[in-house]
Amino acid sequence: DAKTTQPTSMDCAEGRAANLPCNHSTISGNEYVYWYRQIHSQGPQYIIHGLKNNETNEMASLIITEDRKSSTLILPHATLRDTAVYYCIVRVAGGGADGLTFGKGTHLIIQP
Amino acid sequence: GAVVSQHPSRVICKSGTSVKIECRSLDFQATTMFWYRQFPKKSLMLMATSNEGSKATYEQGVEKDKFLINHASLTLSTLTVTSAHPEDSSFYICSATGDRFLDTQYFGPGTRLTVL
Repeated sequence: DAKTTQPTSMDCAEGRAANLPCNHSTISGNEYVYWYRQIHSQGPQYIIHGLKNNETNEMASLIITEDRKSSTLILPHATLRDTAVYYCIVRVAGGGADGLTFGKGTHLIIQP
Repeated sequence: GAVVSQHPSRVICKSGTSVKIECRSLDFQATTMFWYRQFPKKSLMLMATSNEGSKATYEQGVEKDKFLINHASLTLSTLTVTSAHPEDSSFYICSATGDRFLDTQYFGPGTRLTVL
């Protein structure tokens, strides 16, 4: 699976949009971009994933650049409960039998 | 999304004893379950992968005789830490995939193990 690079930490004001970047310049054509988050002392929570088109669900939006070398996770109206470590993970389609490789992620802190 | 539970949420045991942690998929059949370990301020590290009815596959450096994994049904996997020692104290998290969630892993809430 391709490697990802994320900023170590970010701050965002409550009520504003939180934009979390991720670089994955070595991504292959058959690799998806997944986002998970982990709130302190809890298991990771699945947020969203995509291949090349932008995706949106009830939690967030995922914007993938046309060359697929980077992506941005957008939390449209951040709340204090969105404070967590956010992980961007690239993995092969159909790789359901493979474990995930977690990097260090981005510690997002939502400020009141 | 899918729901995965773990039991217990936290356990304290004496050195030398064995501890069993259960992981259940509540609303789907999990053909594959994974066990991760997370030390303080570190990322999750994959320990092993188990497929229902098969022996688990362990990552390099993980002792299979110390961390016994059983995946006897499509909704239950267990991790037994045998002869636990203080260095085994950690946050153990399972995840599952399968059924209609073939490519997405859903995680349990984790089990905090403290070995005295």
